[in-house]
Amino acid sequence: KAGVTQTPRYLIKTRGQQVTLSCSPISGHRSVSWYQQTPGQGLQFLFEYFSETQRNKGNFPGRFSGRQFSNSRSEMNVSTLELGDSALYLCASSLDSSGREQFFGPGTRLTVL
Amino acid sequence: KQEVTQIPAALSVPEGENLVLNCSFTDSAIYNLQWFRQDPGKGLTSLLLIQSSQREQTSGRLNASLDKSSGRSTLYIAASQPGDSATYLCAVTDSNYQLIWGAGTKLIIKP
Repeated sequence: KAGVTQTPRYLIKTRGQQVTLSCSPISGHRSVSWYQQTPGQGLQFLFEYFSETQRNKGNFPGRFSGRQFSNSRSEMNVSTLELGDSALYLCASSLDSSGREQFFGPGTRLTVL
Repeated sequence: KQEVTQIPAALSVPEGENLVLNCSFTDSAIYNLQWFRQDPGKGLTSLLLIQSSQREQTSGRLNASLDKSSGRSTLYIAASQPGDSATYLCAVTDSNYQLIWGAGTKLIIKP
């Protein structure tokens, strides 16, 4: 069974631009969660989607948004990029939204110049 | 508010030693606890998941224990190898089904 895939793996953007990251969960998994990892803040929860609905949201500004499609694939978007948005963005999938084990993708490394 | 702490922040040991990594959490109302491994610049690999009703889980040379009442978990690595060098993170699933993360322990195994 294929694992969680994330595209692209690396991105370089400039301040003020917007970016869209994609995540394809493990087949059969319906929950997708997004995390931001930085050296200073560690891993922080962004949001979780289940059956195309946002179930939980972390403490991030409205510039961070996401969505989930009917095939469970998810995208997250960051608008008006800031230098501090440079981070590793990780996506995780699980069977459902009830605290089950999460499986992570390799991440997308975003650099904002 | 749930907080997860990992001690030590870094650990360097000679190859072959047995070692213990510690994780503590402030709120015992958790669904499960997971231990992950992260290699530099890479994603996370799930090592062990312990449900709140369980006391321990084992996988190969790894053994994780959970004491929910005291808010503690340990990851025991037996006969450490240089390939075990990585950052180890623990995370608890809280009452909102969110993963709350520790800051990690950076482990270096010296050949």
